Amino acid sequence: GAGVSQSPRYKVAKRGQDVALRCDPISGHVSLFWYQQALGQGPEFLTYFQNEAQLDKSGLPSDRFFAERPEGSVSTLKIQRTQQEDSAVYLCASSLGEGGWSNEKLFFGSGTQLSVL
Amino acid sequence: AQSVAQPEDQVNVAEGNPLTVKCTYSVSGNPYLFWYVQYPNRGLQFLLKYITGDNLVKGSYGFEAEFNKSQTSFHLKKPSALVSDSALYFCAVRDNLYNNNDMRFGAGTRLTVKP
Repeated sequence: GAGVSQSPRYKVAKRGQDVALRCDPISGHVSLFWYQQALGQGPEFLTYFQNEAQLDKSGLPSDRFFAERPEGSVSTLKIQRTQQEDSAVYLCASSLGEGGWSNEKLFFGSGTQLSVL
Repeated sequence: AQSVAQPEDQVNVAEGNPLTVKCTYSVSGNPYLFWYVQYPNRGLQFLLKYITGDNLVKGSYGFEAEFNKSQTSFHLKKPSALVSDSALYFCAVRDNLYNNNDMRFGAGTRLTVKP
């Protein structure tokens, strides 16, 4: 596609529900990142994929958060047993090259706004 | 570890006047520095970056930024602001260490350009 696509655009969940957020990066982009953006804050790093390999998950806030990219393209961020503090915008970004030495710019999706009631 | 600070939550300027959005950073090694802009209901869009070389970096839409190593700053500037420049601006830094995937963003500065 022309850009990074995320779905759904909005998600409302009851506390305790599981949610799955999808990211479709730009075709051919090797690197994929997930960020969490709380209201009034900048994006916070969650996890990084190089193709299908999850090389860095140091930013995931708890073991309730899980991400995958099984075929090296589409990625899913799953949050189990959602809590109110999980309410945020979840941003996906991709870049063409590998993340290790990369100084490349990131291409961001529009995000999924998650509200946990 | 790396961090970035944007000391101003809000910047207001009149159309046609120069604008500056401030950013300071902290890294262990040498920095890769970025500016992104976010319009309502849109993802972050890349404006410009500093990797190495000339301290004055020119980017999209007439924006530029000056890398100042001694002051650890990377302020965003534009000589003549447009109403359409009104948006949320984020400074970001990555320490240029291998396998450092964590790009740190500032909290953002909301720029309002008034006609």
